[in-house]
Amino acid sequence: QVTLRESGPALVKPTQTLTLTCTFSGFSLTTTGMCVSWIRQPPGKALEWLGIIDWDDEKDYSTSLKTRLTISKDTSKNQVVLTMTNMDPVDTATYYCARIRFYQLTTRGYHNYYGMDVWGQGTPVTVSS
Amino acid sequence: IQLTQSPSSLSASVGDRVTITCRASQGISSSLAWYQQKPGKAPELLIYTASTLQSGVPSRFSGSGSGTDFTLTISSLQPEDFATYYCQQLNSYSPLTFGGGTKVEIK
Repeated sequence: QVTLRESGPALVKPTQTLTLTCTFSGFSLTTTGMCVSWIRQPPGKALEWLGIIDWDDEKDYSTSLKTRLTISKDTSKNQVVLTMTNMDPVDTATYYCARIRFYQLTTRGYHNYYGMDVWGQGTPVTVSS
Repeated sequence: IQLTQSPSSLSASVGDRVTITCRASQGISSSLAWYQQKPGKAPELLIYTASTLQSGVPSRFSGSGSGTDFTLTISSLQPEDFATYYCQQLNSYSPLTFGGGTKVEIK
């Protein structure tokens, strides 16, 4: 059974760095095709994709947030870590991690993925002084 | 690549046929997924590669489309289907963006 669980602080102050951990089981991030993605959702708003890390340690980030985001993995602990610098009240949201699987390399070298098939329950983060 | 969902909300009755549209600003072949999200819960995958039903998802859900225009259809709306639905593009040519969501409410 595949499960993911997010953990981290519920409250951070403006300008601080947020660190969230996604602990997963039921699959390995050393298996070809396996990836973990981070997504967030401000209260009452739409989902926003943040970034992805794959089995080969390749990473990709949201264009608007890439200067503030870092995603890393610890395969021995089955964990993926998201750090977001310079937090602001507009970053208040529920943060999710999800498993996503690569299935095809296009002729131009881009990745095609299946959908995010298993999600964590989400962890709410409030940014306030 | 931007994804535009329409409508942003709709009211429907149990048993109705419901169609939600997702339009991509550039062609994405069939690299599209649909999710359902209920209040206070994480999203759940319904459809991937535009038309493949995720295991365990009822067959009243279907997806179609390719290129820039995609649809999610619920053939006969059930009480448990009242939720918000999102599309997502899944080709790394562009960030894996989501559409703005469509809220399906009870009429």
